[in-house]
Amino acid sequence: GAVVSQHPSRVICKSGTSVKIECRSLDFQATTMFWYRQFPKQSLMLMATSNEGSKATYEQGVEKDKFLINHASLTLSTLTVTSAHPEDSSFYICSAVAQETQYFGPGTRLLVL
Amino acid sequence: KNEVEQSPQNLTAQEGEFITINCSYSVGISALHWLQQHPGGGIVSLFMLSSGKKKHGRLIATINIQEKHSSLHITASHPRDSAVYICAGRPPSGSRLTFGEGTQLTVNP
Repeated sequence: GAVVSQHPSRVICKSGTSVKIECRSLDFQATTMFWYRQFPKQSLMLMATSNEGSKATYEQGVEKDKFLINHASLTLSTLTVTSAHPEDSSFYICSAVAQETQYFGPGTRLLVL
Repeated sequence: KNEVEQSPQNLTAQEGEFITINCSYSVGISALHWLQQHPGGGIVSLFMLSSGKKKHGRLIATINIQEKHSSLHITASHPRDSAVYICAGRPPSGSRLTFGEGTQLTVNP
């Protein structure tokens, strides 16, 4: 099946710094990728839809200036958490769409101190 | 009321038991996904189905479009099946999924 990778898998940063998370589709091209956030014991919450070559579409309540998304190529989307705060600590998961199926990355656990 | 609801929320079973997780949805969908999330967080897509029944190893997924209901069955359950199982509906157009809350399954040896 299709493979999606994320990097880094885990990151600890200081409050106020920015963190970039990469999502790559390894063996297919994806015009659409999704970014999710998941808090403990909760389901996935869609943050934004990343479209190659155009601006991302953000869900209500998600600050686009804080969570910058760049879908630079058909195999790479990046999520940058700017000026991170402890409440941004969460598990971030991306998915990429191929043939109407979403393939999920392994996730990135972010801890902001 | 959530658009996609799962039951039970938590399920504990003994190794070898037959397990059923249910998913009901109130929105129109073109397909329903069953996902598995292990404690480490990674998500694996188990099934995508729009009608009938699919089987993969010890896992079986069924869907009844008229009743807007799907079930995931695990036969001869094993401790390694312990995970969160999530159903998600895909709309008739687009790829955005609507997720259920998940079912935490624990299989004891």
